[in-house]
Amino acid sequence: DTGVSQDPRHKITKRGQNVTFRCDPISEHNRLYWYRQTLGQGPEFLTYFQNEAQLEKSRLLSDRFSAERPKGSFSTLEIQRTEQGDSAMYLCASSFVESGANVLTFGAGSRLTVL
Amino acid sequence: DQQVKQNSPSLSVQEGRISILNCDYTNSMFDYFLWYKKYPAEGPTFLISISSIKDKNEDGRFTVFLNKSAKHLSLHIVPSQPGDSAVYFCAASFKNSGYSTLTFGKGTMLLVSP
Repeated sequence: DTGVSQDPRHKITKRGQNVTFRCDPISEHNRLYWYRQTLGQGPEFLTYFQNEAQLEKSRLLSDRFSAERPKGSFSTLEIQRTEQGDSAMYLCASSFVESGANVLTFGAGSRLTVL
Repeated sequence: DQQVKQNSPSLSVQEGRISILNCDYTNSMFDYFLWYKKYPAEGPTFLISISSIKDKNEDGRFTVFLNKSAKHLSLHIVPSQPGDSAVYFCAASFKNSGYSTLTFGKGTMLLVSP
């Protein structure tokens, strides 16, 4: 298992364009998370899936953001009509949770720059 | 309102000495705490965790201490090594949310010099 994979690693786009990021979690994990990290801040929660169900969304996730996890495998995070404030590192993480505490394994992230 | 605070943006330590990284939290519902380490151009990597039923957890050179009454935890690294140079994030979660999300601090950059 190669861990959590994210693609692309870097994306530069112009304001107003749409971008999509992909995350492939660790195969035996049942939860998948999206976080965003901006300069000088810790990761901030955006949303998470348990299998294919999107169970929670942060208020940070405006209606320009949409995340999907078809068939409970990989996930995509799409940002429509990008704004300069969307420039950040988008981190995907996965975990296996039955009961008890939850340790997330993060990918290397997808860095978005909006010009 | 920051619920998890790491008030030291950076810390410099000499190789072989102890590194102590601190973290404070405000939400008394938090009952599980984690430390992550992050190198440049990589994602955060899990280091060590502690449940609120304990006050100490140790894993090799890394020990986390939890003081629930003070809402404070600390990570001790002994002895520190140059390879420990990274940004360290404190994170917290709670059982009532199914431990579904982690709330992170802003991180402390540790520099261990030879």
